[in-house]
Amino acid sequence: AQTVTQSQPEMSVQEAETVTLSCTYDTSESDYYLFWYKQPPSRQMILVIRQEAYKQQNATENRFSVNFQKAAKSFSLKISDSQLGDAAMYFCAYTINNDMRFGAGTRLTVKP
Amino acid sequence: SQTIHQWPATLVQPVGSPLSLECTVEGTSNPNLYWYRQAAGRGLQLLFYSVGIGQISSEVPQNLSASRPQDRQFILSSKKLLLSDSGFYLCAWSPGTGESEAFFGQGTRLTVV
Repeated sequence: AQTVTQSQPEMSVQEAETVTLSCTYDTSESDYYLFWYKQPPSRQMILVIRQEAYKQQNATENRFSVNFQKAAKSFSLKISDSQLGDAAMYFCAYTINNDMRFGAGTRLTVKP
Repeated sequence: SQTIHQWPATLVQPVGSPLSLECTVEGTSNPNLYWYRQAAGRGLQLLFYSVGIGQISSEVPQNLSASRPQDRQFILSSKKLLLSDSGFYLCAWSPGTGESEAFFGQGTRLTVV
């Protein structure tokens, strides 16, 4: 079965510091898409960043960037200059042939 | 622009009662549609997804079922709820190309008592 694993149930970061959230996945497919979603207390799912597996260049969106290692099936999220508003659950996900799977999530706490 | 509507937002149902959660999408055609369940403090578990009318893929054997009677309508149902069905249910859609992110509804908090 295809799976997404987030090994860090909880993470904490000091405001203005950098934090990296880990994600690994398992698939035999070569063409797929990877995502990080944020779920604040409102529980609305918000897309943070996406990565096409066929692209070697790591995606970047302002303070958010990924480290995509296709051979290792690793897709980590780096948040730079953390802000209080970054506190949320973060979910790693992939989509393969219209099937979208999520990891268990990492709860990020930002300390002022 | 595309929008997704999911209702109700909150639901309290007794054990053994039926369930019907509805999700509709506007502003697009032939979307992929998904139902996820999120237990308290947990990740999203894929329950069902659909790539077209009448085409439903079930991921978890349970007492829930899904139907897609119209192109942009996705319904989650149960004939008899169990306590373990409590959770937060999310409907989502994505373009039918399989390469885009999913867009989520506001969710339904279901409590079975």
